[in-house]
Amino acid sequence: GQQLNQSPQSMFIQEGEDVSMNCTSSSIFNTWLWYKQDPGEGPVLLIALYKAGELTSNGRLTAQFGITRKDSFLNISASIPSDVGIYFCAGRPSSGTYKYIFGTGTRLKVLA
Amino acid sequence: EAGVVQSPRYKIIEKKQPVAFWCNPISGHNTLYWYLQNLGQGPELLIRYENEEAVDDSQLPKDRFSAERLKGVDSTLKIQPAELGDSAVYLCASSFGVPPDTQYFGPGTRLTVL
Repeated sequence: GQQLNQSPQSMFIQEGEDVSMNCTSSSIFNTWLWYKQDPGEGPVLLIALYKAGELTSNGRLTAQFGITRKDSFLNISASIPSDVGIYFCAGRPSSGTYKYIFGTGTRLKVLA
Repeated sequence: EAGVVQSPRYKIIEKKQPVAFWCNPISGHNTLYWYLQNLGQGPELLIRYENEEAVDDSQLPKDRFSAERLKGVDSTLKIQPAELGDSAVYLCASSFGVPPDTQYFGPGTRLTVL
């Protein structure tokens, strides 16, 4: 099935560093969601974005809805070991469908 | 508030056997989704319900997969017969409103077909 492109696929960072990841689509989206998934668990919603240009924070996490409506970005500031996991974006196309399409995931590993 | 509940959490079966997964969505959520997640991949939609109606089942392999959502609350996803390639995590999610608001996921059922 269709999946969105997420970049990077994986990353190792030092504790305390900032992290940036993005998600891109070839079509326009109305909604962007960012999830974190720990091993053996379902994805947990981090941030939801509903308007182009919107910037929303949740603690050390900040996400933005790209102004072209074809991309979204997630930043994590001052990373800590518990930030380890897989981060997924999900977008709802503006084409009238109510289904969400998920990204391929960014696997984050934090070195203490 | 209770989240999305799924059972069982883990299931191991032999190929050609049937298997069923159960999902109880967040109270008041009218939309329910079943997703398939293969190792290292993002979730892929199998079927979406609005209340008791399956409004998008285009990705459901109907020769062996079936789903129901009686009374618009709980849902069951069934595979019969299971194949080796069905080994994956089956996630249930729910949301409120049309168009749907944000989705909330359950913990998933990890299926292993031997």
